[in-house]
Amino acid sequence: GNSVTQMEGPVTLSEEAFLTINCTYTATGYPSLFWYVQYPGEGLQLLLKATKADDKGSNKGFEATYRKETTSFHLEKGSVQVSDSAVYFCALSDRSRDDKIIFGKGTRLHILP
Amino acid sequence: SAVISQKPSRDICQRGTSLTIQCQVDSQVTMMFWYRQQPGQSLTLIATANQGSEATYESGFVIDKFPISRPNLTFSTLTVSNMSPEDSSIYLCSVAQASNQPQHFGDGTRLSIL
Repeated sequence: GNSVTQMEGPVTLSEEAFLTINCTYTATGYPSLFWYVQYPGEGLQLLLKATKADDKGSNKGFEATYRKETTSFHLEKGSVQVSDSAVYFCALSDRSRDDKIIFGKGTRLHILP
Repeated sequence: SAVISQKPSRDICQRGTSLTIQCQVDSQVTMMFWYRQQPGQSLTLIATANQGSEATYESGFVIDKFPISRPNLTFSTLTVSNMSPEDSSIYLCSVAQASNQPQHFGDGTRLSIL
């Protein structure tokens, strides 16, 4: 079945450091891929998405590229800020599986000033 | 994207009681979903709320425990029945305009059972 695996946290970085959060997936069809972010005390917000191979999603300085050959969708940001501290969820939806979203377990990110 | 309001935002309830959570959207949406997020965990889909018919439940969730209503395209409720401490979680409503579109989430209801 479909699944999403992302790196375990917490990840602690200093402000202005480079961020990578790894995400790999298993899917039987052709999934769309997403990164969601959950700030403390809030619901999930869609951060970025990619719908086909080689697409790059980007938003708020974050980027992720849909790599079909490595079944990956790693999240990157060149210079993180304290305000980026949150939990990040990698997710996929697969049209062959009724488009239900499957979430990874989440990665908690702490940015130190 | 749609603005999603969930009520209540948090509650503390006694064991054995029931609580109904409301999800209101400011525009008509095709799809509405209910999720549970246990402390420090990822999201688990409880059910898809279907307008005018019974919800579609995921494995491990049943209508008697989590009855869902969806009377129109902008509103849904989830009831957590006969609550026990194990039901302490965040319950999240999400919506999507179409089956191949991203889901957008409300801020969640933080439920604690004493």
